[in-house]
Amino acid sequence: GAGVSQSPSNKVTEKGKDVELRCDPISGHTALYWYRQSLGQGLEFLIYFQGNSAPDKSGLPSDRFSAERTGGSVSTLTIQRTQQEDSAVYLCASSPSRVGGGETQYFGPGTRLLVL
Amino acid sequence: AQSVTQLDSQVPVFEEAPVELRCNYSSSVSVYLFWYVQYPNQGLQLLLKYLSGSTLVESINGFEAEFNKSQTSFHLRKPSVHISDTAEYFCAVSDFTGGGNKLTFGTGTQLKVEL
Repeated sequence: GAGVSQSPSNKVTEKGKDVELRCDPISGHTALYWYRQSLGQGLEFLIYFQGNSAPDKSGLPSDRFSAERTGGSVSTLTIQRTQQEDSAVYLCASSPSRVGGGETQYFGPGTRLLVL
Repeated sequence: AQSVTQLDSQVPVFEEAPVELRCNYSSSVSVYLFWYVQYPNQGLQLLLKYLSGSTLVESINGFEAEFNKSQTSFHLRKPSVHISDTAEYFCAVSDFTGGGNKLTFGTGTQLKVEL
């Protein structure tokens, strides 16, 4: 079946502009995660959605970052007033729920963001 | 808080040789342990994971990892590597404290298999 998809695959923007990154999780997966992969910081957790529960935003690096998940499916990560240090690959992952945790996360191909 | 250390950023190895990629973690609670692999120009995919039970876990392509609680390690091994194993390997941990399964990753180890 279809995996996690992300769009756009590449995004070049100017410093100070806002960007929106989209993630379509695997159908039926209730959990959705955003991570960031950058040269300086490696792979970092950003935000987590589980069903209708309040999201875990503990990994968002600043208040310029926000995310929403509509209808328990598609998610959008928004970065306002982009800075050069926001340049990275933004990865989305989804997983089914599993009692006790430890479920496998399925990653999308990522959106490569370059802020000039 | 958790952390993961992958001491080797790059590991070159000849084809058919054995390899070990090291992973150590730090956590104040019990954790789940994962190895993810990222092949060139592809997304992250799960290689294997340890949740509970037998401390030795295996993947379908010949990799294995052993959870060692006393050493807080989860090293990845393969007795004979193939050129197609060239990729970046990430060790990760998570705990389940009711807040989800967010992963804390190591910095990755680039495995380069040479002929």
